[in-house]
Amino acid sequence: DVKVTQSSRYLVKRTGEKVFLECVQDMDHENMFWYRQDPGLGLRLIYFSYDVKMKEKGDIPEGYSVSREKKERFSLILESASTNQTSMYLCASSLTGTMGDYGYTFGSGTRLTVV
Amino acid sequence: SQQGEEDPQALSIQEGENATMNCSYKTSINNLQWYRQNSGRGLVHLILIRSNEREKHSGRLRVTLDTSKKSSSLLITASRAADTASYFCASTSYNQGGKLIFGQGTELSVKP
Repeated sequence: DVKVTQSSRYLVKRTGEKVFLECVQDMDHENMFWYRQDPGLGLRLIYFSYDVKMKEKGDIPEGYSVSREKKERFSLILESASTNQTSMYLCASSLTGTMGDYGYTFGSGTRLTVV
Repeated sequence: SQQGEEDPQALSIQEGENATMNCSYKTSINNLQWYRQNSGRGLVHLILIRSNEREKHSGRLRVTLDTSKKSSSLLITASRAADTASYFCASTSYNQGGKLIFGQGTELSVKP
């Protein structure tokens, strides 16, 4: 069964900490994405990557960075965690199509609380 | 930037009834997709319909697409309690660089 695995289901961090959220996929997908999901705001794209060592900003990249050193792994980094980054974080991957011709496979999510 | 707007925001029905959820979008799309999310979990891809298609079926799911009205609907027939979840439409368009943009979702509750 194909999978996207996020390293933690629940995470509690302190304000100002550097936080790493890890995502690994076993489907040899080229594309990987990080979203955050908040009540009333839906899913918002933070960063995405179409290839190894490649990254593109999404709609809300401020306060975040990403790393993709290997095809199967896409990490989201909160440089200095703040309380407004408390959220559900969702990683997804997909095959490459001309323009999003394939569905995304999502991980189970990481619920991050910053205190 | 939210591409899709879904209607209704919440829907409560009895088991065995049909559930219809609607999605409207703003710009021309390449395809439209529907996802399900069980409480506190990740999203699961249900079905993809391309811009040149009008209707698609998958099991108890039926999706329609009307590009002239910039809208889509998801019909779940003979609903079950296990269908209780949030349902999201999402679309890709050429001017969004192929990224998937999600609507806010419809919360479906199916009562046994």
